[in-house]
Amino acid sequence: KAGVTQTPRYLIKTRGQQVTLSCSPISGHRSVSWYQQTPGQGLQFLFEYFSETQRNKGNFPGRFSGRQFSNSRSEMNVSTLELGDSALYLCASRTSSGANVLTFGAGSRLTVL
Amino acid sequence: GEDVEQSLFLSVREGDSSVINCTYTDSSSTYLYWYKQEPGAGLQLLTYIFSNMDMKQDQRLTVLLNKKDKHLSLRIADTQTGDSAIYFCAESKGYNTDKLIFGTGTRLQVFP
Repeated sequence: KAGVTQTPRYLIKTRGQQVTLSCSPISGHRSVSWYQQTPGQGLQFLFEYFSETQRNKGNFPGRFSGRQFSNSRSEMNVSTLELGDSALYLCASRTSSGANVLTFGAGSRLTVL
Repeated sequence: GEDVEQSLFLSVREGDSSVINCTYTDSSSTYLYWYKQEPGAGLQLLTYIFSNMDMKQDQRLTVLLNKKDKHLSLRIADTQTGDSAIYFCAESKGYNTDKLIFGTGTRLQVFP
């Protein structure tokens, strides 16, 4: 069974640009969430999707957005990039039954110059 | 509050036991987790414990939960060099939510 797949793994952008990151959850998982990991702030929750609906959102500015498609794949977008957006962005998926267990992907490492 | 605290570093000799500690502030936590992160990688779930349990053992891993003191610990028996990584504890506040509050992470270094 394939794990959570995130693309791209690495990318470099400049300030002011926008970026889109993609996440394919484990087959059968309908919940997808996103986290930002930085050395200064640690791991912070961005948002959570289930059946194409955003169920929860972390404390991030409106430049951070996401969506989920009918096949449960998810994308997140960051517009008007700032240097501080440089981070590892992690996607996780979860089955909707059983224990609250998140399986994480390897992440997309974004560097903003 | 939503603070989950961990000590930053732990260094142990190969073959010894490692104990990584975590304190949390929210007594309404439902699940508590331990994740492992190796360099350049994502988070790997090691184990989790439901809030109504005191202990859970899984091979070399033992999790202890003290709800009164809001203290969670992870014991790794017979620590190996491959266990060197950053370990994160995390708490969940609901039964059907993806929002986890993570600790700051403990870097475990295992020396021969």
